[in-house]
Amino acid sequence: RKEVEQDPGPFNVPEGATVAFNCTYSNSASQSFFWYRQDCRKEPKLLMSVYSSGNEDGRFTAQLNRASQYISLLIRDSKLSDSATYLCVVPGMNSGGYQKVTFGTGTKLQVIP
Amino acid sequence: EAGVTQFPSHSVIEKGQTVTLRCDPISGHDNLYWYRRVMGKEIKFLLHFVKESKQDESGMPNNRFLAERTGGTYSTLKVQPAELEDSGVYFCASSQGPGQGGNEQFFGPGTRLTVL
Repeated sequence: RKEVEQDPGPFNVPEGATVAFNCTYSNSASQSFFWYRQDCRKEPKLLMSVYSSGNEDGRFTAQLNRASQYISLLIRDSKLSDSATYLCVVPGMNSGGYQKVTFGTGTKLQVIP
Repeated sequence: EAGVTQFPSHSVIEKGQTVTLRCDPISGHDNLYWYRRVMGKEIKFLLHFVKESKQDESGMPNNRFLAERTGGTYSTLKVQPAELEDSGVYFCASSQGPGQGGNEQFFGPGTRLTVL
């Protein structure tokens, strides 16, 4: 099983639609999780952090299911500007006790007018 | 506040040549990370500096890659000699604190390296 796995998409959705992405992870010891957003030819930028069961910020909701080892990102009322690649990022610890993050391949979202 | 900067933004070199990438982290960030994204693949960790020390370099592909962070400020990543499979986007990121837990990493714009 890959450390972090995402459906690469693309997800093509109309404006106003609700879309959800899932991300599964293999390290059951991981405590915190991130969703980053990456626009075409740009750097990844933090969208949301998930430390407990979930987090909500406006139209975006991230949920964590520890038992099944997945996190999800829900986007409501999609906007054209939401078009991007969404990266699931799972931090862990290396042998020295420092953070080491693992990226998923990313899920591409295209919101259509 | 200035973000993470990287130079150059693009580099096109021939196989066998040497290229040096530079990253300037956010001022005061002790942690500096290098990542690489090869086309079609996920972003992969290369190495992690805490101040000037290499804390984890388990992701470095081979000994053609050399990273330094003199004085704990900016970092360089040198590829010598470059091979075709080294092409990709090299990202640098920095974060505060001791690097433990879930500290947010701030990414630079990346250097797009093309080896011909």
